Amino acid sequence: ETGVTQTPRHLVMGMTNKKSLKCEQHLGHNAMYWYKQSAKKPLELMFVYNFKEQTENNSVPSRFSPECPNSSHLFLHLHTLQPEDSALYLCASSQSRVTRLAGAKENEQFFGPGTRLTVL
Amino acid sequence: QKEVEQDPGPLSVPEGAIVSLNCTYSNSAFQYFMWYRQYSRKGPELLMYTYSSGNKEDGRFTAQVDKSSKYISLFIRDSQPSDSATYLCAMSARSYSSASKIIFGSGTRLSIRP
Repeated sequence: ETGVTQTPRHLVMGMTNKKSLKCEQHLGHNAMYWYKQSAKKPLELMFVYNFKEQTENNSVPSRFSPECPNSSHLFLHLHTLQPEDSALYLCASSQSRVTRLAGAKENEQFFGPGTRLTVL
Repeated sequence: QKEVEQDPGPLSVPEGAIVSLNCTYSNSAFQYFMWYRQYSRKGPELLMYTYSSGNKEDGRFTAQVDKSSKYISLFIRDSQPSDSATYLCAMSARSYSSASKIIFGSGTRLSIRP
């Protein structure tokens, strides 16, 4: 496997279900991200993990719960979702720097193919 | 006001035409400007990036940044059907150490007619 992989690619769940999305990056990066992409809306940053520590929670409802057990894996646990949560959920990774200002290349985030989530 | 504004299209042009895609933004702290391309059923991939104002050319693609007007553009010359995709502008401010926080536009869906 290369790049950033996400499973499952498609998920249909009821509002009372509990499910998890998985992301794995094979790029040796140390930062990972969850984004939500809805039709005709900008990508919404949900969570950022840097060196396995959560550094950003963009006011995401608690029905979304991220987990980052190591710098290569990222999960998004879902429970009691609403129909408006239906969207494409994208995972991304990047190489953050700690010794100098982040440059343009460090802004390059590599995205997975996404999980198309439908909440009934 | 949204931080980044982008016309969602769709935009349809004939093969060989010059395509112009644009975004405006409101945050003067943005220093890095990017264009991502997203094909159907795929995640976005970085196409071009520029730092501060100016032009950058890469093959058939040219990115322009005008910080005084808070306006960025992507030009595609000799457009091909394979260029059909959604193009997302993105930008970020300079940051120390932490993972990058990128603000994306809503994307413009482009279709090149053979």
